[in-house]
Amino acid sequence: EVQLLESGGGLVQPGGSLRLSCAASGFTFISYAMSWVRQAPGKGPEWVSAISGSGGSTYYADSVKGRFTIARDNSENTLSLQLNSLRAEDTAVYYCAKDLNGGNPKGPFDYWGQGTLVTVSS
Amino acid sequence: DIQMTQSPSTLSASVGDRVTITCRASQSISSWLAWYQQKPGKAPKLLIYKASSLESGVPSRFSGSGSGTEFTLTISSLQPDDFATYYCQQYDRYSTFGGGTKVEIK
Repeated sequence: EVQLLESGGGLVQPGGSLRLSCAASGFTFISYAMSWVRQAPGKGPEWVSAISGSGGSTYYADSVKGRFTIARDNSENTLSLQLNSLRAEDTAVYYCAKDLNGGNPKGPFDYWGQGTLVTVSS
Repeated sequence: DIQMTQSPSTLSASVGDRVTITCRASQSISSWLAWYQQKPGKAPKLLIYKASSLESGVPSRFSGSGSGTEFTLTISSLQPDDFATYYCQQYDRYSTFGGGTKVEIK
């Protein structure tokens, strides 16, 4: 059974940093691209970042480029997202999500974690 | 950036109704379109991918159609479990989600 378990969310002040993690199990982790998707309260999902199965290619939404960094450890089956220079508009539930199709980030997401809440407020 | 526009934003329907939701892309995305269902407090659930392919385990009353810039999600006979919010997603260039359609009980 595929499982994705996020952790690391919390309350942080504007300008602060946070590191989110996602522990994956139940599938061959290295074979699939992974993404982070966030959802602000009452809003639709917003894709944030993606990483190829090998970890060699990364992609970011313009709204987070230069502030967030995605990474993966294929030996530990974990995905991470480093969030720096946080703003109030980054407040959202952050989900890790598995790509349906394979190692290149080109596809919808067939499995999602339960999400971790990041609140940016003074 | 590719913008995705869903309509309507809210839809009131009864059990047994046929329901259609529309999603328009700001530029052609071929068939790189997915549909998700989301219930309060839960992650989105993949229903349809590549515009018309049914995800494994999803009931056959859900169907998708379209290509280019205009797409539809149809629920042939609405069931009590189907009252939820539905989102389209383009994955032709990176990924963008629509604003959502909430299906409410009439």
